[in-house]
Order: sequence, then structure tokens, then C-alpha cells
Amino acid sequence: TQLLEQSPQFLSIQEGENLTVYCNSSSVFSSLQWYRQEPGEGPVLLVTVVTGGEVKKLKRLTFQFGDARKDSSLHITAAQPGDTGLYLCAGRTGGGNKLTFGTGTQLKVEL
Amino acid sequence: DTAVSQTPKYLVTQMGNDKSIKCEQNLGHDTMYWYKQDSKKFLKIMFSYNNKELIINETVPNRFSPKSPDKAHLNLHINSLELGDSAVYFCASSQGRYGGEQFFGPGTRLTVL
Repeated sequence: TQLLEQSPQFLSIQEGENLTVYCNSSSVFSSLQWYRQEPGEGPVLLVTVVTGGEVKKLKRLTFQFGDARKDSSLHITAAQPGDTGLYLCAGRTGGGNKLTFGTGTQLKVEL
Repeated sequence: DTAVSQTPKYLVTQMGNDKSIKCEQNLGHDTMYWYKQDSKKFLKIMFSYNNKELIINETVPNRFSPKSPDKAHLNLHINSLELGDSAVYFCASSQGRYGGEQFFGPGTRLTVL
């Protein structure tokens, strides 16, 4: 069974602070995705990384895929209240459609 | 212009009852999914259909039966509901059998009393 452990599980910070969320596994993934989920809604895809060592930036969000494709990180610079939500990583093995989701990180950014 | 819609949004029922959740997508996708999100927010795949063919069937009690009348619809029927079935159920869709972006519906919160 593939497990994706996210840390921290909960994070409460002030507006303007930086933060990093980690997603770790002992399994190798062909690609890894990050989603954000807001209360009462479904997850929304933020990014997909496919190459070991790949770094992608989405405005204030920076995503990195580990060299061995077993882990990933999400760094948010100067967090804003609008960043509040549940962040989920999800890995895909092989070429199929099955996604294994991480344990989730609940982020709250306060004014 | 909802992309993936689910009905109902909330479902409260007694143990032992049978209930269905419906999902429709207007994205023209050929693959649809059912996920279960538990009280700890852990999201797990249950089923996936591609062009009405079952392609993913995780270890789910056979009280759960998905049905895909066409590639735009995927319904989930649950027999003999149990307390442990209480969760949020998400439908999703994507294009192709191999790695397309998945678009999620708003979820159906099922509470079994």
C-alpha cells in the first residue's frame, strides 16, 4: 500500500509569513500533484510535477519534486488569508489514472 | 455552467437504508471517479469508469455499486448503510485512461444515524 505522509498536519500562521508543506513516501511516483480544497468544495488542482528535481512556480507558490520522485514540497511565500485551505498531495504510479492522496495539511492564514 | 455536479449535497439517513448519489459532468470527459473523504479529510479512490467500463475497483464493500449509464453520468448506490459509511463522497472526471487532470464535484455529505 502506497502511503503519502504530509507534514505538518495543521498549520496556523499570520499573514505575510512563509511556510513549507512536505509530502513524503517510500514509493516512487511517475508524477505528483498538489490540490487545494476549500470547505464545502472539491479539491482543485494546483500543479503537476513529473520529473525528479523539477521545480514549478505558481505566483507565490513553489512546488518541488524530489530527485528520487518519492517526495515533494510546497512553499508559500508571504501567505495571505486567501491561501487558507486543505492542501493535498497526490501521487500517480505508472501511466494509469489512479491517484493516491496524501494525509493532508490544513492551513489557516490569519490577518 | 457547472462542470461536475452531484446530487444531493447533503444526505441524512438511518442505518440499514439504501441510498443513491448522482453525478453528472458536462466537460465531455470519458472517465469518471468516486472518492470517499473521511472525517480526517483522507481522500481515497473507490471506483473509476472509462467510457462506461469499470477500470478501477478498490477494496470497497459490495454494498457499494457504481453505475454508469453513459460517459457523462456516474451514480453510486449504497445498500444497507452503516455508521462507518458516513463521509463526504466526491465525484470527479478526467479525459483519457492515462493521467488526465481530474476535476472534482462539490461533494455529497452522507450522515448515517
